[in-house]
This record gives sequence, C-alpha cells and structure tokens, in this order.
Amino acid sequence: GQNIDQPTEMTATEGAIVQINCTYQTSGFNGLFWYQQHAGEAPTFLSYNVLDGLEEKGRFSSFLSRSKGYSYLLLKELQMKDSASYLCAVRDLNSGAGSYQLTFGKGTKLSVIP
Amino acid sequence: DARVTQTPRHKVTEMGQEVTMRCQPILGHNTVFWYRQTMMQGLELLAYFRNRAPLDDSGMPKDRFSAEMPDATLATLKIQPSEPRDSAVYFCASGLVSGQGYYEQYFGPGTRLTVT
Repeated sequence: GQNIDQPTEMTATEGAIVQINCTYQTSGFNGLFWYQQHAGEAPTFLSYNVLDGLEEKGRFSSFLSRSKGYSYLLLKELQMKDSASYLCAVRDLNSGAGSYQLTFGKGTKLSVIP
Repeated sequence: DARVTQTPRHKVTEMGQEVTMRCQPILGHNTVFWYRQTMMQGLELLAYFRNRAPLDDSGMPKDRFSAEMPDATLATLKIQPSEPRDSAVYFCASGLVSGQGYYEQYFGPGTRLTVT
C-alpha cells in the first residue's frame, strides 16, 4: 500500500509564494499528481510528475524527487481564488490490476489572506 | 466541453433505504472510478472499472455496496441498506488509458449523500 503525507492546513498572503509538500511511500511508483479542490466542488487536475525535476505551468509548479519520495507544489503570485484544498495523489504499479488507480493524500487546505 | 456527470447532486434519505447514484463518464474514456470523500478519511477509492469490467472493489463494504457498469455510458453505485456512516460526498471519475504512459482522471461534481 501507500502512505501519503501532506500538511493539513496552510495560510499565506495574497501576492506571496507558498510551497505545499507531499511525502509518499510506495513500492512501485509510477507518477504523482496534484489536484485542486475548492470547497463543495470536485477535484480538478493541476499537474503530473513522473520524472525527477520541476514542471512549470503558469503560476503553478510541481517538483518531484523519486529517491526521496518527495514532491512539492509551488504557487506564485497568490490570489484569493487560490484558497482551496490541494490533494497529492500517487499512482502505483503495484496498486492493482492495470495500476491506473490513484491513492490520494488527505489534502492541504490553503487559505489566502489579504 | 466534455465532462463527467453525476446524479443526483444531493440526496437525503433515512437509514435503511436504498440509494442509487449514477455517473456518465466522458465519452471514450475506458476507466471509471468511484470515490467517497469525508473530512476524516479524505478521498477513498471504492471501485474501479476498466472497459466496463470491475477490476478492484476492495475498498467497498460489499455487504451493502455494489457497483456496476451496465453500458459504457453509465456507472452506478448502490447502497442497500444505507446507514448514517455512509453520509459523504461520492465522486465518480473517468480517464482514458491510451498506452502512451500519461494518464489523468477527470472528476464529476459529486453526489452529497446524507443518511439520517
């Protein structure tokens, strides 16, 4: 199975930069995903990392280190609308038939304040 | 703009009643997932279908839950009998396995179930 850890809550100021960390333990790592979930809404895809390094997409970047079992999501130029939960999810080759299921962390609730 | 649809969006029922939730995956997607989300447990996988075949339902309480895909455009999750501890938001997600390595799941809006 997998063990995925991320902070429960974070607070940051509008216009600032925030880094949300995720650590995982898995036997057959095959990709890490970040999802954004606004209150009362469905998770929406943000980023995908399968190789080590940084993936940048506009104000959002995601980093992966497979040897350390570690990822972070970096949000720049924070806006009030970025207040949401951010879910880290891992895909594991050994998680089941086809290995296309994702195991999710419990999410980090980010509050952006003026 | 293709999206996953779910019905009903909200359901309030009494303990012991049957609940059926429906999901229409994105046309052409060949994997479908049912998740349950609560504050305490986060997102938990209940069932997983690929090409309509059930591949994994180990996360589902089988004495009361059942999941089916009668055709490629419909997935159902049924709870019978329902209990207060089943109160949660139930999400359906779909994705396309293309053999190209990349894979992403798209979530429906969810069904908020309250069992009294």
